[in-house]
Amino acid sequence: DAGVIQSPRHEVTEMGQEVTLRCKPISGHNSLFWYRQTMMRGLELLIYFNNNVPIDDSGMPEDRFSAKMPNASFSTLKIQPSEPRDSAVYFCASSPLRRGANTEAFFGQGTRLTVV
Amino acid sequence: GENVEQHPSTLSVQEGDSAVIKCTYSDSASNYFPWYKQELGKGPQLIIDIRSNVGEKKDQRIAVTLNKTAKHFSLHITETQPEDSAVYFCAFPAGGGNKLTFGTGTQLKVEL
Repeated sequence: DAGVIQSPRHEVTEMGQEVTLRCKPISGHNSLFWYRQTMMRGLELLIYFNNNVPIDDSGMPEDRFSAKMPNASFSTLKIQPSEPRDSAVYFCASSPLRRGANTEAFFGQGTRLTVV
Repeated sequence: GENVEQHPSTLSVQEGDSAVIKCTYSDSASNYFPWYKQELGKGPQLIIDIRSNVGEKKDQRIAVTLNKTAKHFSLHITETQPEDSAVYFCAFPAGGGNKLTFGTGTQLKVEL
């Protein structure tokens, strides 16, 4: 397996524009996570899905952020409109879902977003 | 809410020395304690984990110890090598479910 695949790797956009980040989880994994990494706040969980259903979106900073998982092999994180403070590295991770036990999360390479 | 404190934030050691990173957590119900390594330009990668039914786990030069009474767990790297230089994160499952809360990270530098 190629691992978790994220695109694009880098994104530079102007303030106010819509940004869409994409993720393909590892085949067979049914948990998917979106994290944001900044120097100030570290690694923050934004939202996660189990079996394509959003379970916890309490980490989504505001209504400008939205995430979808239309099927088991694809998820998007959208920011509309984008602001300079959204600049960060966004990671997608996936893991198998085991009843009653936590499992390893596999991370993608990340998308470095710069909003100017 | 649930949180985890990680120390130190930076650590510099000579090649061949040992390195120890410690995390303290608040949720006594936690039962899974992984450690991740993040190299420059890459996503975090699991290097070792421990479950609450054991106190120590070792994998070659890496070990993790768990003290559930004191609510802390530590990463030990022995015979450090330059390729061990990276940022290390502890994590634990916060609030149930399958999600992980990460510590603030430790920048480890192994000097020749």
